[in-house]
Amino acid sequence: NAGVTQTPKFRVLKTGQSMTLLCAQDMNHEYMYWYRQDPGMGLRLIHYSVGEGTTAKGEVPDGYNVSRLKKQNFLLGLESAAPSQTSVYFCASSFASEAYQPQHFGDGTRLSIL
Amino acid sequence: GQNIDQPTEMTATEGAIVQINCTYQTSGFNGLFWYQQHAGEAPTFLSYNVLDGLEEKGRFSSFLSRSKGYSYLLLKELQMKDSASYLCAVMDSNYQLIWGAGTKLIIKP
Repeated sequence: NAGVTQTPKFRVLKTGQSMTLLCAQDMNHEYMYWYRQDPGMGLRLIHYSVGEGTTAKGEVPDGYNVSRLKKQNFLLGLESAAPSQTSVYFCASSFASEAYQPQHFGDGTRLSIL
Repeated sequence: GQNIDQPTEMTATEGAIVQINCTYQTSGFNGLFWYQQHAGEAPTFLSYNVLDGLEEKGRFSSFLSRSKGYSYLLLKELQMKDSASYLCAVMDSNYQLIWGAGTKLIIKP
């Protein structure tokens, strides 16, 4: 009964380093999302996917890339990390985006860029 | 622009009732969600409103007025475990969720 699993849970990077955040869901959800959560601000959508092989930009996509090669996995990449990307990253999934379809969230990845 | 407003922080007493307000201005409306988020944890779904009126679910109720762009979450018989942030989110015309910054609720004995 895992739901949405994110790895790693914590990471510290140096400016300019790259890394990939992994998200896996076992609920057969079509839609997956990557958000960042910063103090004093609402969750902001980075990228999302409406199905295997598809991706789309959200509100704050710059500096990030994503891939959805398999339905259950959604990867978020930082090509060249910057201090402004220090944040808590949440992955979420849902059956669909229409009407009453709550998003289910992973436990988050706390990322610090030095 | 799109905007969701909630109070930053509220304090209430164990056993009491608290109302957390949310006002919104969005491009289109396809429903309003409330989530609970304990410190250091993931947001978890509480309620969904798409029609005007009150939805009750145990100790928690959520109200919506679409004409006023207003919702509230009502928590009754407060317990210490209700100490958390409560996030209001509106689904816009593109079926994207627009999130408020959250209301941190502190429960005192």
